Amino acid sequence: NAGVTQTPKFRILKIGQSMTLQCTQDMNHNYMYWYRQDPGMGLKLIYYSVGAGITDKGEVPNGYNVSRSTTEDFPLRLELAAPSQTSVYFCASSRTSANTGELFFGEGSRLTVL
Amino acid sequence: QQQVKQSPQSLIVQKGGISIINCAYENTAFDYFPWYQQFPGKGPALLIAIRPDVSEKKEGRFTISFNKSAKQFSLHIMDSQPGDSATYFCAASMYGDYKLSFGAGTTVTVRA
Repeated sequence: NAGVTQTPKFRILKIGQSMTLQCTQDMNHNYMYWYRQDPGMGLKLIYYSVGAGITDKGEVPNGYNVSRSTTEDFPLRLELAAPSQTSVYFCASSRTSANTGELFFGEGSRLTVL
Repeated sequence: QQQVKQSPQSLIVQKGGISIINCAYENTAFDYFPWYQQFPGKGPALLIAIRPDVSEKKEGRFTISFNKSAKQFSLHIMDSQPGDSATYFCAASMYGDYKLSFGAGTTVTVRA
């Protein structure tokens, strides 16, 4: 009964470092999403995927990359971390598109870039 | 540019009172309007959703009111309880779109 699992929960990076946020879901959902949440700004879509091998940019993709080699996993890669990437990152999945179905979110990964 | 504008940013209500959160949108192609609830340290979770063919939807103490002509929708929390203290996000999506556009969020605090 895991749902959407994100790791790590917390991470501190130095400027210029790289890292990967992991996301896995066990609900066999085709659709997966990465959002970032900043105070007073709501949730902004970074990247999304409609199935294995298919990814597309969201509203704020700069500085990030994703891959979707399996239905279960949707890692988010941060290259050359910048202070502007300090945020809480949420991975989500849905059985159908966001227009018709419920998004299931992980518990988030809090990233600080110093 | 925020496609869905949400207000207020925060509100405090006494136990048993009514909490009201408002959202407005510009894109008339939007046809799905969910509300998500987020507790501290957790991810958002779907609370209730509405489509424009109805003007109101109620689930327990939570009601969505929808005004298509004004391009506005709101969440009413009746008989607010301390356990309702959370951040609430409105969102919108359109047919054929894969994503949700979220409002900025409203932090609701229910005082006992």
